[in-house]
Amino acid sequence: NAGVTQTPKFQVLKTGQSMTLQCAQDMNHNSMYWYRQDPGMGLRLIYYSASEGTTDKGEVPNGYNVSRLNKREFSLRLESAAPSQTSVYFCASSEIYEQYFGPGTRLTVT
Amino acid sequence: GESVGLHLPTLSVQEGDNSIINCAYSNSASDYFIWYKQESGKGPQFIIDIRSNMDKRQGQRVTVLLNKTVKHLSLQIAATQPGDSAVYFCAESSAGGTSYGKLTFGQGTILTVHP
Repeated sequence: NAGVTQTPKFQVLKTGQSMTLQCAQDMNHNSMYWYRQDPGMGLRLIYYSASEGTTDKGEVPNGYNVSRLNKREFSLRLESAAPSQTSVYFCASSEIYEQYFGPGTRLTVT
Repeated sequence: GESVGLHLPTLSVQEGDNSIINCAYSNSASDYFIWYKQESGKGPQFIIDIRSNMDKRQGQRVTVLLNKTVKHLSLQIAATQPGDSAVYFCAESSAGGTSYGKLTFGQGTILTVHP
């Protein structure tokens, strides 16, 4: 099992550009999450999906949109990237409590 | 909103010593707590969890203690090894129903183990 996979691993964007971060899990988990992690800080929840077909805002949703494409895949979209969105983005999945994390996407917005 | 925080941002220990990492939480409704380890350049990795109806839980070389009276959580690592060097995060959950998996993370403690 690959667990949780994320693409791309690294990305550099110019201000105003758009992009989609992809996430997939092969553990048949119902819930999936997107977090951002800024230097010296913990993870902050952007959006989550408790089950296929549902999505809800987390702590810091502004500037992001998500799509739960199917049970396996949960994507995060930046419509118009801003320097404040420079961060490391982690996707996670869970059945109930314990969340399994992907390796992260390091995004730089210039 | 509610938050989870750590008392010590850094902890340095000698190999073989026991390590204790502390975490304070403020949401009295929190009913699930979890510790993660994050190595440089990687995603967080589950270490151990505990429900609010317990005050202690043990794993392999790790023990989590929960004191609900003072809203305090600690992670004890026995016989700390250089491979334990990482950032350790506590997280809590208080959401019910289908949103039970939502976690609020603390800032993290950097553990450095010296050979």
